[in-house]
Amino acid sequence: EPEVTQTPSHQVTQMGQEVILRCVPISNHLYFYWYRQILGQKVEFLVSFYNNEISEKSEIFDDQFSVERPDGSNFTLKIRSTKLEDSAMYFCASSSWGTDTQYFGPGTRLTVL
Amino acid sequence: DAKTTQPNSMESNEEEPVHLPCNHSTISGTDYIHWYRQLPSQGPEYVIHGLTSNVNNRMASLAIAEDRKSSTLILHRATLRDAAVYYCILRVRGGGGNKLTFGTGTQLKVEL
Repeated sequence: EPEVTQTPSHQVTQMGQEVILRCVPISNHLYFYWYRQILGQKVEFLVSFYNNEISEKSEIFDDQFSVERPDGSNFTLKIRSTKLEDSAMYFCASSSWGTDTQYFGPGTRLTVL
Repeated sequence: DAKTTQPNSMESNEEEPVHLPCNHSTISGTDYIHWYRQLPSQGPEYVIHGLTSNVNNRMASLAIAEDRKSSTLILHRATLRDAAVYYCILRVRGGGGNKLTFGTGTQLKVEL
């Protein structure tokens, strides 16, 4: 069964450093998403992406964040200058046209020191 | 987004049915009722969704009240693997691309 994959599973970085989190969505899907979950808190929407542009973003998704689909398979989330409060699990998801079902990856745990 | 209300936690014994309730009294006519779950240390996972009629799939059943102000996710025979946080989410039907707004969900504990 096709699945969403994410790399790395765990990323440790120093405050102020840039990080790129990578996702490979399910191959025929057209919509891509990033969510995050701070330890012990709710899953929060960050951004959705369709047709090579952002379709919606939350207030969390400020200028420090960017997303990109650099080729036909990868979908990335970049945080330019990480802060301590960016420490969280980051989940990538994808969905296909005509359905609202989103398929989530296993997540990347980001730890900012 | 219309709001949903779920109990914080529920317990069940293995092999027994589990009924997870969700109240959504402000649901609109275009809102679909979706259920996702999140197993420990994993990403959310789609379970089931419906609009007005009851729905069944290999994972669960969804019973929707006639007035649509509440729904119940039914796990017919709980297993230890079903221990997870279950989220009831309302979403307007679209071609795709709509975000999911997660609440705190119901933590289901399954015991032997």
